[in-house]
Amino acid sequence: AQSVTQPDIHITVSEGASLELRCNYSYGATPYLFWYVQSPGQGLQLLLKYFSGDTLVQGIKGFEAEFKRSQSSFNLRKPSVHWSDAAEYFCAVANWRGGNQFYFGTGTSLTVIP
Amino acid sequence: ETGVTQSPTHLIKTRGQQVTLRCSSQSGHNTVSWYQQALGQGPQFIFQYYREEENGRGNFPPRFSGLQFPNYSSELNVNALELDDSALYLCASSWGTGRGPTEAFFGQGTRLTVV
Repeated sequence: AQSVTQPDIHITVSEGASLELRCNYSYGATPYLFWYVQSPGQGLQLLLKYFSGDTLVQGIKGFEAEFKRSQSSFNLRKPSVHWSDAAEYFCAVANWRGGNQFYFGTGTSLTVIP
Repeated sequence: ETGVTQSPTHLIKTRGQQVTLRCSSQSGHNTVSWYQQALGQGPQFIFQYYREEENGRGNFPPRFSGLQFPNYSSELNVNALELDDSALYLCASSWGTGRGPTEAFFGQGTRLTVV
């Protein structure tokens, strides 16, 4: 069965500092991996996705993620965090049967301090 | 902003009642999925509709049911509401080709409170 683990429930970083959010997945076949961001009371916005090919993927808002099959990880990174990045971040693995059925982690809440 | 719209945005119901949530998928999309997001949790997959047929279901009881219409909009129905059904319900639409994953777009959600 597929599952996603986000080990960090909450992270606090200073504005301008670098960020890495961890994600580990369990999936029996080639994983299709996603990172979504959710602002309070809002829906989910796609940051980036990995389907195949280059293991370093670029997303919106300056985010990137690296797929490491040997470690079953898909960590999200940003070199310099902005105050507007404060939000909840979700990693997900997709079962694509005819569309996308996502299995989400429990999320990592990011606080950015001035 | 995505083209996925959900209604209503907020809803309060009494335990034991029934509720219907609606989702208008993005233009051109033929697949709609529903998720339940309890407070402080990640979204949990309820079920998915592909070309008007149920195409996968998560670990939710039969009192959670759905429908997809010919224009690919969708409804989520929950009968015999329980307090634990209080959550944000998210709809996601995508274009399913049967040949691999595609990007899904989420609506803003419906916040259901059961009292």
